[in-house]
Amino acid sequence: EVQLVESGGGLVQPGGSLRLSCAASGFTVSSNYMSWVRQAPGKGLEWVSVIYSGGSTYYADSVKGRFTISRDNSKNTLYLQMNSLRAEDTAVYYCARDRDTKDPLDAFDIWGQGTMVTVSS
Amino acid sequence: AIWMTQSPSLLSASTGDRVTISCRMSQGISSYLAWYQQKPGKAPELLIYAASTLQSGVPSRFSGSGSGTDFTLTISCLQSEDFATYYCQQYYSFPFTFGPGTKVDIK
Repeated sequence: EVQLVESGGGLVQPGGSLRLSCAASGFTVSSNYMSWVRQAPGKGLEWVSVIYSGGSTYYADSVKGRFTISRDNSKNTLYLQMNSLRAEDTAVYYCARDRDTKDPLDAFDIWGQGTMVTVSS
Repeated sequence: AIWMTQSPSLLSASTGDRVTISCRMSQGISSYLAWYQQKPGKAPELLIYAASTLQSGVPSRFSGSGSGTDFTLTISCLQSEDFATYYCQQYYSFPFTFGPGTKVDIK
């Protein structure tokens, strides 16, 4: 079965760090374009970052310089390292797979269940 | 960044109704548009991509149309399981952006 399972969320103080994981099954993370998308409580969806199959990475301006997307091919797992966290980073974080393995510009066909990150003192 | 508006923000309807949701872009995006359905506490699910292509497994009562700046999601005969929030998303360029959402609830 093709699926994504996130973990690593929790409560962290402002200025702190957290690393989210997204374990994939049924497909190979390194062969796909993979993104992180977040959703603040009661709000809409916000794209956060993407990693290309070739390894290139891109970020939303709101997280650039603070968040780092990466993957471990041996574990078939995607990561999001979040540093210098702010209250406005509080959200459910989803990992998502690009529908087309050959084109980074496509919709997300597989989503994880999400992991909640709360930034508060 | 490319911004979008969705209308209406809230749509009250009954089962069996035909409903239409609109998404308007701040600039042309050809057909690089997707529609997602999200239920409370769940991840979004892909309904439509390339503006009008139905994702595998999605019921045929869902359809999408449009290109350029104006897009529409139509549910031809609303079912009880369709009460949810719907988002459009452009993937024409990074940063990908989502519309603010349309909540479809029971009249």
